[in-house]
Amino acid sequence: DAGVIQSPRHEVTEMGQEVTLRCKPISGHDYLFWYRQTMMRGLELLIYFNNNVPIDDSGMPEDRFSAKMPNASFSTLKIQPSEPRDSAVYFCASSTGVNTEAFFGQGTRLTVV
Amino acid sequence: GDSVTQMEGPVTLSEEAFLTINCTYTATGYPSLFWYVQYPGEGLQLLLKATKADDKGSNKGFEATYRKETTSFHLEKGSVQVSDSAVYFCALSDSYNNNDMRFGAGTRLTVKP
Repeated sequence: DAGVIQSPRHEVTEMGQEVTLRCKPISGHDYLFWYRQTMMRGLELLIYFNNNVPIDDSGMPEDRFSAKMPNASFSTLKIQPSEPRDSAVYFCASSTGVNTEAFFGQGTRLTVV
Repeated sequence: GDSVTQMEGPVTLSEEAFLTINCTYTATGYPSLFWYVQYPGEGLQLLLKATKADDKGSNKGFEATYRKETTSFHLEKGSVQVSDSAVYFCALSDSYNNNDMRFGAGTRLTVKP
């Protein structure tokens, strides 16, 4: 398996634009996590899914953020409208659950100017 | 809710020095515990794990023992190398809390020759 695949690797956008980050989890993994990493706040859990259903979205910073998982092999994290303070590295991870390790993608570095 | 607290960095050591990075946790159930490592510009990689009390995880010379009585999972290495320079994250996954993966703030380690 190729591991967790995220796209794009880098994204630079202007404030107010819509940004969509994409993730393909490892096949057979039932859990998918979205994290945001910044120098100030470290690694924050934004939302996670189990069997394509959002379980906990309490980490989503505000209504500008939304995440979907239309099927077991694809998830998106959307920011609309984007703001400079959204600049961060966004990681997607997947796992089989039941106290197992999460496998991380390479991350998407988002810069909002 | 579940949480992980780890030693704040940064930590700077000379090559061949002994390393300890402290990690304590709070959890509702009986979590699995993990140490992840993040090299510059990369995603998080699993370093080692332990799934029950008194288990010792080990990999690449790193070790950590699951201590339920002290709710700790301290990372140790007897002799660090320059190539160990990275950010280290302690994490837990708790089946009593829907298996979401919670991370500590991360500890940046720099090893000087």
